[in-house]
Amino acid sequence: NAGVTQTPKFQVLKTGQSMTLQCAQDMNHEYMSWYRQDPGMGLRLIHYSVGAGITDQGEVPNGYNVSRSTTEDFPLRLLSAAPSQTSVYFCASSRTEGYGYTFGSGTRLTVV
Amino acid sequence: AQSVTQLGSHVSVSEGALVLLRCNYSSSVPPYLFWYVQYPNQGLQLLLKYTTGATLVKGINGFEAEFKKSETSFHLTKPSAHMSDAAEYFCAVSDRGSGGYNKLIFGAGTRLAVHP
Repeated sequence: NAGVTQTPKFQVLKTGQSMTLQCAQDMNHEYMSWYRQDPGMGLRLIHYSVGAGITDQGEVPNGYNVSRSTTEDFPLRLLSAAPSQTSVYFCASSRTEGYGYTFGSGTRLTVV
Repeated sequence: AQSVTQLGSHVSVSEGALVLLRCNYSSSVPPYLFWYVQYPNQGLQLLLKYTTGATLVKGINGFEAEFKKSETSFHLTKPSAHMSDAAEYFCAVSDRGSGGYNKLIFGAGTRLAVHP
């Protein structure tokens, strides 16, 4: 049982490049979310999903896209990377809204 | 929309002393409430949660939290701090999104330091 798997663990991008952060879970969880963590700001919700084909925006969605074609996978796409997107990104999943999320180990992204 | 306030970005206690980390949320509607812990360079780990029922909830590592609806608070406590408790702690609450689905919103976090 791997839990929530995020790849890559580290990434450096140039401004304007695009990339996809991968997130997969093997617990058959319906709820999945992407957060970014910046010093002093806690975790801010980017996008979330409550099942395959259902996504919604969080607090800071601009510059990011998501889709949920399967229960297991919830990739986060950066369309045109900017230095302001330098952050640590966490993916999390949960069985239900009250169950409690399981977090991945994070992706540290630097945009230069 | 919900918001979460954690009073004190840094808290320092002596080993063996009481740990009290404060969390207040904004909505009058009782949400689901959570506390998470993050050790350096790791993801977040669920400490405890309140969904319904008993307002005093116990979690892992000797932590507990009490839901007080009248005060819109969910403070985290531990009677006796241990050096291994040094970490960052996050309070989180559920919130209804624009699409009608519940999402999880976090506070800014409190870094706990434990001194010998």
